[in-house]
Amino acid sequence: QITLKESGPTQVKPTQTLTLTCTFSGFSLSSNGEAVGWIRQPPGKALEWLALIYWDDDKRYSPSLKNRLTITKDTSRNQVVLIMTNMVPVDTATYYCAHRLMSGGLTTFDVWGQGTMVTVSS
Amino acid sequence: QSALTQPASVSGSPGQSITISCTGTSSDVGSYNFVSWYQQHPGKAPKLMIYDVTKRPSGVSNRFSGSKSGNTASLTISGLQAEDEADYYCSSYTSRITFAIFGGGTKLTVL
Repeated sequence: QITLKESGPTQVKPTQTLTLTCTFSGFSLSSNGEAVGWIRQPPGKALEWLALIYWDDDKRYSPSLKNRLTITKDTSRNQVVLIMTNMVPVDTATYYCAHRLMSGGLTTFDVWGQGTMVTVSS
Repeated sequence: QSALTQPASVSGSPGQSITISCTGTSSDVGSYNFVSWYQQHPGKAPKLMIYDVTKRPSGVSNRFSGSKSGNTASLTISGLQAEDEADYYCSSYTSRITFAIFGGGTKLTVL
C-alpha cells in the first residue's frame, strides 16, 4: 500500500524560501520507472502541477515556476523535498505530493498525500 | 487561465447521466491518450477516477467512464448518486512542457 505525507511550515513570510518534505512508503524511488510529483491548489482554485522527480534523478518543472523551484530526493529516507524561493502571497495554497502511476498513465498520479496548507503572509 | 478548458459547473438528478468536457489542443489532448480525471471532495485530496482516457483504476465504480474525440476528452458519470457531488479535474500530458497540465475544474451538483 502506497502512502505519502507532506510536511513543512504552515506559514512563511513574503520573500522567504519554502521547504516542503514528502515522506512516502510502499515503493522505492530507486526502482525503475518510479516518480513523485508536487501539485498545489490555491484556496477555491484549480490544481497546478509544480514539479516531478524520476527514479533516475531526471526532473521536470512547471515552466512558469521553474526559476523558483528545486526538487530533490533522498531514496534512503524515502523522501522528496520541494524548495520554492521568493514566496509571495499568491503562492498561498495547499501543496500535495503524489505518486506517479506506474502501469500506463504517463502523467497520472494514482496516490496523493493529504496535502499541507501554506499561507504566505507578513 | 488553465491550459485545459472545463465547464465551471454541471448538474444532474440522481439516476441521470452527466458528461464533463475537457478541451485542449493538438499539443496535449488531441495528440496523446494520456488524459486523466480526478474527483475531489471538499477538503480532501484528489482521487484518480480515469487514466489513459478510458481506463479505470481498481476500485472505481464502472459508472465512471472516459472518452476522447479530437482535442476534447469527456468524463461520463451514469446513474448519478449523491456521493458523486464533487469537483472534477482533467489532466493531460503536453509536449509543451513534457509533463502534465490540469483543467480548471468542474463542480458537479447532484440535485
